[in-house]
Amino acid sequence: DAKTTQPPSMDCAEGRAANLPCNHSTISGNEYVYWYRQIHSQGPQYIIHGLKNNETNEMASLIITEDRKSSTLILPHATLRDTAVYYCMVITGTASKLTFGTGTRLQVTL
Amino acid sequence: DAGVTQSPTHLIKTRGQHVTLRCSPISGHKSVSWYQQVLGQGPQFIFQYYEKEERGRGNFPDRFSARQFPNYSSELNVNALLLGDSALYLCASSMPGLAGGFQETQYFGPGTRLLVL
Repeated sequence: DAKTTQPPSMDCAEGRAANLPCNHSTISGNEYVYWYRQIHSQGPQYIIHGLKNNETNEMASLIITEDRKSSTLILPHATLRDTAVYYCMVITGTASKLTFGTGTRLQVTL
Repeated sequence: DAGVTQSPTHLIKTRGQHVTLRCSPISGHKSVSWYQQVLGQGPQFIFQYYEKEERGRGNFPDRFSARQFPNYSSELNVNALLLGDSALYLCASSMPGLAGGFQETQYFGPGTRLLVL
């Protein structure tokens, strides 16, 4: 699976949009971009995934660049409950495992 | 619908003992994966089972074993516990796609926190 690079930490004011970047410059054509988050001491929570097109669900939006070498997870109106470690991963069809890196620790503040 | 459930929630063992952790997947999910998360690190893949067969194995010693039952629940067994086995053990379930296992989204349980003294 391709390697991903994320900033170790970010801050965001409550009510503002949180934009979390992820670099995956070695991504191949059959690899999806997945985002999970982990709130302290809980199991990881699936957020969103995509292949080429931008995706949106009730939790977030995923913007993937045209060359697919990077992506951005957008939480449109961050709340204190969004404080968590956010993991970006790329996964092939032949892989059955998720490979978690160090993620981005997002701190949402008042 | 119930999510992934794991038992027990917490466990304390001593070195050399063995432990069995249990996981029940989301109803309808046929694949179960196990991960170990040591404090301060991201989860590390241990095993994945699909239809009672092992589909993948991470870089863990043979002291770690697992199995999946006909109802798709799963057990993770760890023998000869070491202090370094202290961790949060996570189970995730998924429903493989028509291709038999591709990019299926994995949904995690709350984990079992194991402390080895």
